[in-house]
Amino acid sequence: QQQVKQSPQSLIVQKGGISIINCAYENTAFDYFPWYQQFPGKGPALLIAIRPDVSEKKEGRFTISFNKSAKQFSLHIMDSQPGDSATYFCAADHNNDMRFGAGTRLTVKP
Amino acid sequence: KAGVTQTPRYLIKTRGQQVTLSCSPISGHRSVSWYQQTPGQGLQFLFEYFSETQRNKGNFPGRFSGRQFSNSRSEMNVSTLELGDSALYLCASSSEGQGPARYTFGSGTRLTVV
Repeated sequence: QQQVKQSPQSLIVQKGGISIINCAYENTAFDYFPWYQQFPGKGPALLIAIRPDVSEKKEGRFTISFNKSAKQFSLHIMDSQPGDSATYFCAADHNNDMRFGAGTRLTVKP
Repeated sequence: KAGVTQTPRYLIKTRGQQVTLSCSPISGHRSVSWYQQTPGQGLQFLFEYFSETQRNKGNFPGRFSGRQFSNSRSEMNVSTLELGDSALYLCASSSEGQGPARYTFGSGTRLTVV
């Protein structure tokens, strides 16, 4: 079953806008929540990650917001650029058993 | 530092055949995980190997198997191929003992079953 649910499936944002992708998980044993970015023809690459003892983490234009009680977390991309157009995956890990969301295809229009 | 290397990059097989895919992890990484990526299902976890032992396993039929060698290189095998096995197969390596899995993915093997 899908242990990590991700939405939306696709997202179109204008250049300079904010992109928001949401994820929800079920297993409370998960203790590490990364986001991966994947370009066509490449494997996913780690973008940013958070542990559940922190509610927010920011790295440049990318921010993860984490709500432990709701078992939800989200990725915010500020000032979205055409180069950010890619597929984004959220994931949840416990003991090297990492489960991924279904992915969000982000298109940033110039 | 060389990245994760997967071979071959592309593969076309006939239904009923078997296939073996290879993954060479980053030097020093002892954990290798395999994922199946399809447009409809996203990234589905197959299995994870560490020090030649399978530690975790996803919900795939027994036709999907893997192994890891003493040099940490890993192979996965799919027997009796079905059309639905067409997918991008990704492997990821991580180093143990540095907190949670920090996966580095290879570029994948694109398997097409006809």
